[in-house]
Amino acid sequence: EDQVTQSPEALRLQEGESSSLNCSYTVSGLRGLFWYRQDPGKGPEFLFTLYSAGEEKEKERLKATLTKKESFLHITAPKPEDSATYLCAVPSHSGNTPLVFGKGTRLSVIA
Amino acid sequence: ETGVTQTPRHLVMGMTNKKSLKCEQHLGHNAMYWYKQSAKKPLELMFVYSLEERVENNSVPSRFSPECPNSSHLFLHLHTLQPEDSALYLCASSQGWGYNTEAFFGQGTRLTVV
Repeated sequence: EDQVTQSPEALRLQEGESSSLNCSYTVSGLRGLFWYRQDPGKGPEFLFTLYSAGEEKEKERLKATLTKKESFLHITAPKPEDSATYLCAVPSHSGNTPLVFGKGTRLSVIA
Repeated sequence: ETGVTQTPRHLVMGMTNKKSLKCEQHLGHNAMYWYKQSAKKPLELMFVYSLEERVENNSVPSRFSPECPNSSHLFLHLHTLQPEDSALYLCASSQGWGYNTEAFFGQGTRLTVV
């Protein structure tokens, strides 16, 4: 069964304190990994897609990287507005089915 | 705005009521999805429509009934729900439903069953 595991479950940072979120997956033959941001009571907002090991993508203070077994979302000098839940997802290996999501990492950035 | 609009944003309904959730996408996508999001659980896929045909139904109880009249609109008809069905219901769309397409989500409908 496909598994997507995100850690930590929750992370509290001081403003400016850089850190990383982890997404590990067990699906074989990865065909893309997706990162989303979700604010409370709202739908997930698409951030990045990564397709191959070694690939990196950046957006403002966020940088996503991918290896053969996991992905990291690095947050550099975060601000309070970066507080949200960050979700990772991969396509299921069972045919062309849509995304399997992790439980997310709830990030709080304190001023 | 993501180009995917859901209404209503909030809904409170009794267990004997019938209601419908609506989703509209303005992105020209040809695949649409319903997801359920409960507290402390990952997003759960409920239904997938591609070109207005249902292509996946993840063992969802029959009290949830989807309808896709065209590629821009998706409905979720609700009847005789249970309190444990209270959750955030999210609609999403994508260009195709293959593995290499990112999905764009609406803002969700917060459903409370009393």
